[in-house]
Amino acid sequence: AQSVTQPDIHITVSEGASLELRCNYSYGATPYLFWYVQSPGQGLQLLLKYFSGDTLVQGIKGFEAEFKRSQSSFNLRKPSVHWSDAAEYFCAVGSLGGSQGNLIFGKGTKLSVKP
Amino acid sequence: DTAVSQTPKYLVTQMGNDKSIKCEQNLGHDTMYWYKQDSKKFLKIMFSYNNKELIINETVPNRFSPKSPDKAHLNLHINSLELGDSAVYFCASSHHGTSGGTDTQYFGPGTRLTVL
Repeated sequence: AQSVTQPDIHITVSEGASLELRCNYSYGATPYLFWYVQSPGQGLQLLLKYFSGDTLVQGIKGFEAEFKRSQSSFNLRKPSVHWSDAAEYFCAVGSLGGSQGNLIFGKGTKLSVKP
Repeated sequence: DTAVSQTPKYLVTQMGNDKSIKCEQNLGHDTMYWYKQDSKKFLKIMFSYNNKELIINETVPNRFSPKSPDKAHLNLHINSLELGDSAVYFCASSHHGTSGGTDTQYFGPGTRLTVL
């Protein structure tokens, strides 16, 4: 069965520090991978996605993620965090074929930013 | 020119009532979804509609019924509301994947439902 694990429930970093949010997935076929961000009281905004090709993908707001098939990971990174990045981050996996449109989400990682 | 919109943003109601949440998208997508986000922020798909036909119906009580009058709308009707239905409900839309898979989903702002 498909699943997504985000091992860190809550991470606190200082403003200006680098960030890495972890995501591991379990899926038998070629996964489609997504990172979404949810600011307090807001909906989900797509940060970036991986479908195929270059395993390092660039997203909005200075975020990037690297797909590593051997580790079943799709970690999100940012070199320098801004206070406005404080939010909940969700990793998700979608299917190629099979249940069309079925996005499986991780449980999220809450990011807090210290001044 | 909101891409995916939901109404209402907040909904407070009594147990046993029937309520509806509306969703509209102006992206020209042919697939729409409803997700439930519980108090622990866990997101889980409830329904998916493609061209007005149900293609996913996860284990959801039959008190919940999606209604799609056209490709741009997917409304969620909930009968006999229970305390456990309190959550944030998100609507989303996407193109149907060219290989039958998942295309990027765009989410609405959410509807916070509180059942008293």
